[in-house]
Amino acid sequence: SQQGEEDPQALSIQEGENATMNCSYKTSINNLQWYRQNSGRGLVHLILIRSNEREKHSGRLRVTLDTSKKSSSLLITASRAADTASYFCATDYTGTASKLTFGTGTRLQVTL
Amino acid sequence: GAVVSQHPSRVICKSGTSVKIECRSLDFQATTMFWYRQFPKQSLMLMATSNEGSKATYEQGVEKDKFLINHASLTLSTLTVTSAHPEDSSFYICSAFPSGSADTQYFGPGTRLTVL
Repeated sequence: SQQGEEDPQALSIQEGENATMNCSYKTSINNLQWYRQNSGRGLVHLILIRSNEREKHSGRLRVTLDTSKKSSSLLITASRAADTASYFCATDYTGTASKLTFGTGTRLQVTL
Repeated sequence: GAVVSQHPSRVICKSGTSVKIECRSLDFQATTMFWYRQFPKQSLMLMATSNEGSKATYEQGVEKDKFLINHASLTLSTLTVTSAHPEDSSFYICSAFPSGSADTQYFGPGTRLTVL
């Protein structure tokens, strides 16, 4: 299976703290994307990082990509209770016509 | 931003019946749409790629005769779960790839299917 791994599987932090999630994947990619999913809901696209990029920022989000280690990280700074959700990385593997392969996900709980 | 809708959002059916789920791109045309399935507390698994005007491409292990996909227009793809059984109960999510887009696809809100 091409499915990537994410760690941790679950993360519980207090509001104001930073949350870091990691994603590893298996073969060459065109890009890697991060999504958020609230319980029982659809996906919200957070950020896309291309294979030739190493870091990208969007508001309180910071994504890094290390193609030599086939890994990416998502950092959420100054977390809020509203950030509570599951976070998935998704890889667009080279030669797969933009099909996305999702990681196993990290369930983030931010408490007051 | 681009919007993708799914209908219905929830459906409960009896075992043995067929259920149709619609995926629509509301403000753009999509040559390609994808169908995913997500079991509780698990990740999304790609089921098939829906191509407008041609047959869908199914992922390994997905039965094409059970999960019928029709992409008859540039804004609509349908997934029909035929002869549904309780093990087909899942969250089905579609995504649509705008024609001409390089790498951004947009996801629908999902359809919760429960088969009794």
